[in-house]
Amino acid sequence: DAGVIQSPRHEVTEMGQEVTLRCKPISGHNSLFWYRQTMMRGLELLIYFNNNVPIDDSGMPEDRFSAKMPNASFSTLKIQPSEPRDSAVYFCASSLAGGSQPQHFGDGTRLSIL
Amino acid sequence: AQTVTQSQPEMSVQEAETVTLSCTYDTSENNYYLFWYKQPPSRQMILVIRQEAYKQQNATENRFSVNFQKAAKSFSLKISDSQLGDTAMYFCAFMKHGDMRFGAGTRLTVKP
Repeated sequence: DAGVIQSPRHEVTEMGQEVTLRCKPISGHNSLFWYRQTMMRGLELLIYFNNNVPIDDSGMPEDRFSAKMPNASFSTLKIQPSEPRDSAVYFCASSLAGGSQPQHFGDGTRLSIL
Repeated sequence: AQTVTQSQPEMSVQEAETVTLSCTYDTSENNYYLFWYKQPPSRQMILVIRQEAYKQQNATENRFSVNFQKAAKSFSLKISDSQLGDTAMYFCAFMKHGDMRFGAGTRLTVKP
């Protein structure tokens, strides 16, 4: 069974550039989560969707960050313009809705902003 | 907001020995779910074990078991017969209504 698929696995870009991270959740899962992991702050929930609808985006750090889920099998996290402090590993996770199911994580995207 | 505390930033254990990782959480909720995730150097997040708060029986998965103390809001992970492949970061997580919050993690090293 295919797990959560994230792309790219690594991204290196210069500050000021637009960055788009992509995620394909597990088929049939209707909740999707974006996390950011850094040494300083650990794992932070940025935003999550239920049935393609954003439910809680209070973790999105600022207006430079945006996330979309145009359909049940695809989501993007965009940073525009990017800054060096955005460097982190970004994880996407999905789960069955209902509030009791564990989240299954992708392999993450390591983002480096120079 | 729920908070999850892992008070041990780093731990080590000899291969084949037993180790216990601590986790406490703060919540006013009665029904919720608790998880332990493992993150090896490959950086994958792997679900180790889960516990439903309404169940008194402690969850077990092979060499992994938990000690869930609801009144004390404690959820420790015990790893028996530690193996070199258990070397990883371990994250405790609290979930309510699908919203999952993680602790800061414990880095576990299994020594040969």
